[in-house]
Amino acid sequence: QVQLVESGGGVVQPGRSLRLSCAASGFSFSSDGMHWVRQAPGKGLEWVAVISYDGGNKYYADSVKGRFTISRDNSKNTLYLQMNSLRAEDTAVYFCAKELFDWGQGTLVTVSS
Amino acid sequence: QSVLTQPPSVSGTPGQRVTISCTGSSSNIGAGYDVKWFQQVPGTAPKLLIYAYSSRPSGVPDRFSGSKSGTSASLAITGLQAEDEADYYCQSYDSSLSTWVFGGGTKLTVL
Repeated sequence: QVQLVESGGGVVQPGRSLRLSCAASGFSFSSDGMHWVRQAPGKGLEWVAVISYDGGNKYYADSVKGRFTISRDNSKNTLYLQMNSLRAEDTAVYFCAKELFDWGQGTLVTVSS
Repeated sequence: QSVLTQPPSVSGTPGQRVTISCTGSSSNIGAGYDVKWFQQVPGTAPKLLIYAYSSRPSGVPDRFSGSKSGTSASLAITGLQAEDEADYYCQSYDSSLSTWVFGGGTKLTVL
């Protein structure tokens, strides 16, 4: 069955960088678009970014455009989110999702000094 | 302010039928873009309940159903059960923003 496992979260100071990973298994990773979605503590879901099956197309929410970069390595069945210039408002649980059908369990990113 | 508007909360008693609305516009639901519904128990990942307005993934009970009318979509839950208590989110694509969008979420309380 589809399995998505996020990693890389943690506590980081404002202005610093962090890279999240999402290890995929149980499906043909190179055939599906992948999303990152986040959820701030006590808040709703916020779409962050999407990447096409081959990495050729990428789209971002305005709130992260220019600071976050989504990428994938189909040879490693892994999705990434490079987060730069982090702000306190980026504090959230970050989920990866296969076409928004299947979701990982999330990884918590806390931006705090 | 979410592009897709949901009521903050709804409630019902066991066995009852409840509906959750998701109001959009001509650049998202009204434009014919797919609508998905998710169920999220606090502290866990969202679970897909409905896609393509009214289709259910395998394993989702037929107590859950979705519909669309104009610029709005709705999720109906019949035969309400205590285990249905959770947060529910609608989701679509917005062509004006060129982004995927979520509703603000609705907390369902089973009384």
